[in-house]
Amino acid sequence: GENVEQHPSTLSVQEGDSAVIKCTYSDSASNYFPWYKQELGKRPQLIIDIRSNVGEKKDQRIAVTLNKTAKHFSLHITETQPEDSAVYFCAASTGGWPPGYALNFGKGTSLLVTP
Amino acid sequence: GAVVSQHPSWVICKSGTSVKIECRSLDFQATTMFWYRQFPKQSLMLMATSNEGSKATYEQGVEKDKFLINHASLTLSTLTVTSAHPEDSSFYICSGGKGTGLSPLHFGNGTRLTVT
Repeated sequence: GENVEQHPSTLSVQEGDSAVIKCTYSDSASNYFPWYKQELGKRPQLIIDIRSNVGEKKDQRIAVTLNKTAKHFSLHITETQPEDSAVYFCAASTGGWPPGYALNFGKGTSLLVTP
Repeated sequence: GAVVSQHPSWVICKSGTSVKIECRSLDFQATTMFWYRQFPKQSLMLMATSNEGSKATYEQGVEKDKFLINHASLTLSTLTVTSAHPEDSSFYICSGGKGTGLSPLHFGNGTRLTVT
């Protein structure tokens, strides 16, 4: 099955700096790559996603890049703010419906933005 | 946007009892509901996939007789933890999809289960 590796597990940056989180996946059939932000005790919130027919996507301070050949994708957060502090999860899915497309999650990155 | 309502948000039960967790899709029809479990400081692990009107598909290592999943309608899926033990204490989250192409999954708020 799909195996998603995520690095680093913890990341500390100063406010205003950029943060980059990287993920690799094993299943070349994966074609959907969402990123979730999870605050303590709350549900994951989708912050950005990218499909395999696109190499890069940006939404204000957040961007995601995808390299299908190397099977890795990255989350970039620019001008970080303390409220960006949370755990971020990458995920991969092979899509297709039915039988349904469960997401395979990375282990998460705990991001701390210090003022 | 699409909303998945999950209840209860937290529950404490005694060892040996059963607990039911409900997930309702409020403004869309969730043809498929995924159930995840998350231990403290760990990632979300898929437990099972349920399609409306059919039996759930369980991931390897997840006991289907212990974690009963029912998806009787397009708006309601339930997870029942039977004969709960302290090691079942975890954060359980459901997520639902419309089943149309690569539409995003929508997560419930999660249920914090503590078994004493």
